[in-house]
Amino acid sequence: DAGITQSPRHKVTETGTPVTLRCHQTENHRYMYWYRQDPGHGLRLIHYSYGVKDTDKGEVSDGYSVSRSKTEDFLLTLESATSSQTSVYFCAISARDTRTDTQYFGPGTRLTVL
Amino acid sequence: ELKVEQNPLFLSMQEGKNYTIYCNYSTTSDRLYWYRQDPGKSLESLFVLLSNGAVKQEGRLMASLDTKARLSTLHITAAVHDLSATYFCAEGTSGTYKYIFGTGTRLKVLA
Repeated sequence: DAGITQSPRHKVTETGTPVTLRCHQTENHRYMYWYRQDPGHGLRLIHYSYGVKDTDKGEVSDGYSVSRSKTEDFLLTLESATSSQTSVYFCAISARDTRTDTQYFGPGTRLTVL
Repeated sequence: ELKVEQNPLFLSMQEGKNYTIYCNYSTTSDRLYWYRQDPGKSLESLFVLLSNGAVKQEGRLMASLDTKARLSTLHITAAVHDLSATYFCAEGTSGTYKYIFGTGTRLKVLA
């Protein structure tokens, strides 16, 4: 499972509140990703990181920010949560610089914004 | 617009039958990935296809890649109930470390 954990696993919050999701990896991979999964849309990339303090936007980045101060941690923040951000959020790492060359996913965080 | 299209989106099939899921992508990428997701679970890597003509097989599943046609297929042979899941393909975009996912194919194998 590539040692990826996410916290919290479930969260219910109110519209307008800030929310931070955490992704932690134990295998020192350079590339980390945040996706959201919604019915009918597959997985959509929110932000990704290619190193400490190096991040870039994905296709659905509005309303989200990220930070990566350590190799092992990648944080996703919803600055002011809205109901449209109710979703399942997956963190992933890329093993593209290894022989296995694939993505490994964390267990997911189910976020509900009321 | 970079896009990955899968079809069918839903597939209900009888045990013992064969079927193919198609994945069309829009760039010149030569990296294509297949994942499986069980309900309420995370995604699990199935196949990594890294060049034109690549073919990988695992049990009753076989994946192939045709980069000229920008097409990958996931073939299911003699389906069994345990294969019921949602299958995603994803392309690794050339020159970046981004991945673009299809919307998924929800497979249900009926006993």
